[in-house]
Amino acid sequence: DAGITQSPRHKVTETGTPVTLRCHQTENHRYMYWYRQDPGHGLRLIHYSYGVKDTDKGEVSDGYSVSRSKTEDFLLTLESATSSQTSVYFCATGLGAVSTDTQYFGPGTRLTVL
Amino acid sequence: TQLLEQSPQFLSIQEGENLTVYCNSSSVFSSLQWYRQEPGEGPVLLVTVVTGGEVKKLKRLTFQFGDARKDSSLHITAAQPGDTGLYLCAGARRMYSGGGADGLTFGKGTHLIIQP
Repeated sequence: DAGITQSPRHKVTETGTPVTLRCHQTENHRYMYWYRQDPGHGLRLIHYSYGVKDTDKGEVSDGYSVSRSKTEDFLLTLESATSSQTSVYFCATGLGAVSTDTQYFGPGTRLTVL
Repeated sequence: TQLLEQSPQFLSIQEGENLTVYCNSSSVFSSLQWYRQEPGEGPVLLVTVVTGGEVKKLKRLTFQFGDARKDSSLHITAAQPGDTGLYLCAGARRMYSGGGADGLTFGKGTHLIIQP
């Protein structure tokens, strides 16, 4: 168990409001990832980080931004939430090379945008 | 674009039966991982296969990576109710993250129900 927590675990918000999801890890893993999971789509990568202040876009990054000011925290921000961003969001961490290393997933945040 | 196709999407069988789940792609992956996810939780890694043709066993679960590293299969022998869950395959195309869209590409998953 890699000690990954996500907050909040559940959130309901209205269209147009900003939302920030937090991922916190205690394992000192270098790599951190944000995914969203939707029925019919599976898990899709939003953004990832390969070090403090080093981030890059994933497959579905439009409408999302991230920040990583310290190793243990990776924030995902929806600047102006839309109903299409209703989803379950998972944070994951990894120690090294994505090809062979385990990715450890947090428990998820269920976000509903009304 | 969904690069990894999993089949079947849903499978419900009786305890004691055998089953195979497939993960196929037209792309080559540097590795394939299989995860299992319980309701309300994040996925948990079961195995990583790296070499074409590689076979790994985890108790009653057998994982195989295709020779061309484009596909993989998960075979469960004598399924038990505790095997119930969502099984996800995920491929990595790069060796390291960084320098562009990366992370894992996931299939849509196979919902497996083992009835007592």
